[in-house]
Amino acid sequence: KAGVTQTPRYLIKTRGQQVTLSCSPISGHRSVSWYQQTPGQGLQFLFEYFSETQRNKGNFPGRFSGRQFSNSRSEMNVSTLELGDSALYLCASSHRGQTNEKLFFGSGTQLSVL
Amino acid sequence: QKEVEQDPGPLSVPEGAIVSLNCTYSNSAFQYFMWYRQYSRKGPELLMYTYSSGNKEDGRFTAQVDKSSKYISLFIRDSQPSDSATYLCAMSGVRSGGYQKVTFGIGTKLQVIP
Repeated sequence: KAGVTQTPRYLIKTRGQQVTLSCSPISGHRSVSWYQQTPGQGLQFLFEYFSETQRNKGNFPGRFSGRQFSNSRSEMNVSTLELGDSALYLCASSHRGQTNEKLFFGSGTQLSVL
Repeated sequence: QKEVEQDPGPLSVPEGAIVSLNCTYSNSAFQYFMWYRQYSRKGPELLMYTYSSGNKEDGRFTAQVDKSSKYISLFIRDSQPSDSATYLCAMSGVRSGGYQKVTFGIGTKLQVIP
């Protein structure tokens, strides 16, 4: 069974640009969560999608948005990039996003904002 | 104060040593406790998953949960250079609607020296 797939693996952008990251969950998983990981803050929750609906959202500005498609694949978008957005963006999937479920991560997209 | 506290290290040990990694937490609603291993430039990989208090063993790895003290531990026996990675504790509990909310520690960087 294929794991969580994230594309692209690396991205370099300049301030003010926007970026779209993609995530394909494990087959059969319908919940997709996004996290931002930085050395100083660790993993911080961005949002979670289930059946094309955003169910939970972390404390990030509106420049961070996402969506989920009918095949459970998800994208996240960051507009008007800032230097502080440089981070590893991780996608994780689980069957239904229930509390007792295990969370499986992709390898992440390393975003560098110059 | 963060919900989950974890010493970022780094922690250096000689090959063959017993490694002890720990996290404390403040939210008594947490019921599910996990340890993830993250190699450089990779996503976190689920290592151990425990429900409520008690011990769980898997090969060289033992996870312990003490809910009364709000303290969890991961022990690695006969540590190997291949164990060199960042270890993240994570925990989740019931929230409104039963949806998953996983909170992570910042991660402890471990180096096992041959």
